[in-house]
Order: sequence, then structure tokens, then C-alpha cells
Amino acid sequence: KNQVEQSPQSLIILEGKNCTLQCNYTVSPFSNLRWYKQDTGRGPVSLTIMTFSENTKSNGRYTATLDADTKQSSLHITASQLSDSASYICVVTPGTYKYIFGTGTRLKVLA
Amino acid sequence: NAGVTQTPKFQVLKTGQSMTLQCAQDMNHEYMSWYRQDPGMGLRLIHYSVGAGITDQGEVPNGYNVSRSTTEDFPLRLLSAAPSQTSVYFCASISAGGETQYFGPGTRLLVL
Repeated sequence: KNQVEQSPQSLIILEGKNCTLQCNYTVSPFSNLRWYKQDTGRGPVSLTIMTFSENTKSNGRYTATLDADTKQSSLHITASQLSDSASYICVVTPGTYKYIFGTGTRLKVLA
Repeated sequence: NAGVTQTPKFQVLKTGQSMTLQCAQDMNHEYMSWYRQDPGMGLRLIHYSVGAGITDQGEVPNGYNVSRSTTEDFPLRLLSAAPSQTSVYFCASISAGGETQYFGPGTRLLVL
């Protein structure tokens, strides 16, 4: 069964600290992997997208990594800010217009 | 560009009532979809459309209907609301080739 699992479920860090969120998937076939940021009360917004051949992709302070062999991805947030408080969702695409969503990691950044 | 818009933002229904959630996009995307988001679960696909006049079922279609008469609009109809349909509903449109998915702001629905 196609599944995307994320850990931890929730995380609290102090402003300025780094953190890493994990995503493990059992989706096949694999087309690409995406990370979304979802602010409270808003729809998800795309942060990064990686294909099979890419093992790292950055978007400002967000860096995503992908290990297609172990079927794992991580999202690293550098020098966190209060505005980083949100849910982060990992999504694996087995084919065009098909999306398998993880349950998300809820991040809280404290001043 | 307004992107993807949804109305209403919040709605309370009684069991058995019907209603339509509106969704519109101004990016001329052919592919549009409806998801529901429940606590502790990933977004689940309800219905989708690959173009005007073409719709199909997703993972959890029961109790919902859709139509696509224009490229811009993709309304979701609840035929007879049930408490199990209490959720947050997101509409999304996707650029050609599936490169980028754009989500609306969501509609929070409470069924009593």
C-alpha cells in the first residue's frame, strides 16, 4: 500500500535554532517528492519538489534531501523564525496528477 | 491573479441539509481537485477533473458530487450532510504536466 509517514508529529524549537523533519515513503512507482508548508487556516504552499535523480533542493532557509534508495526524505530548516511555525507536509507523486500525502509535522517556533 | 478562491470560508449545517462549496481559479488550469483534511490524516482526494465536462472519483467520493461546466469553476456539492463530513475542504488546481499544485484557502465545514 502506498504510504507516506512523517516524524515527528509535532516539534517545538526556539527561534534561531535549526531543525530537521523526516519523511519515509513506500510509494511505487516514484515520480517526485514534494514538501509543502501549511500555515494555520490556510492551504498548503509548495516549498520544494525533487525528482528521482535529485538528492538535495533548497528554497531559502529550507533544504530538502532525498535518498531514493532508502525511500527517505528530510526537510532541514536553518535559523528558524517565528513565521516558520506551521505544518509541513511531505507528498510523494507516483505519477502525473497523483499525490500521496503524509499527515504532516506541526512545528512551533518560540521566541 | 487571484489564484484559487473558495467560498464560503466557514459553514455550519444540520444533518440532512445540502450545500455547495464553490471553487474558482483564474490560471486557466485544466486539472482541478477537491480534498478533505481531517485531524491526524493526510489530505484525501474526493473528486477531480481533468477539464471542462470531465470529472472522476477520488479516494473518498461518497456523499459528494461535482461538475465542471467551465475551466474556471469546480463546485463541490454535499447532497445530504452527515456529521462525518465535518472537515476542512481544499480545492486545488494544477499547472500543465502536474508541476505545481495550487491550493485554495479552504472551507471549514461543521455538520451538527
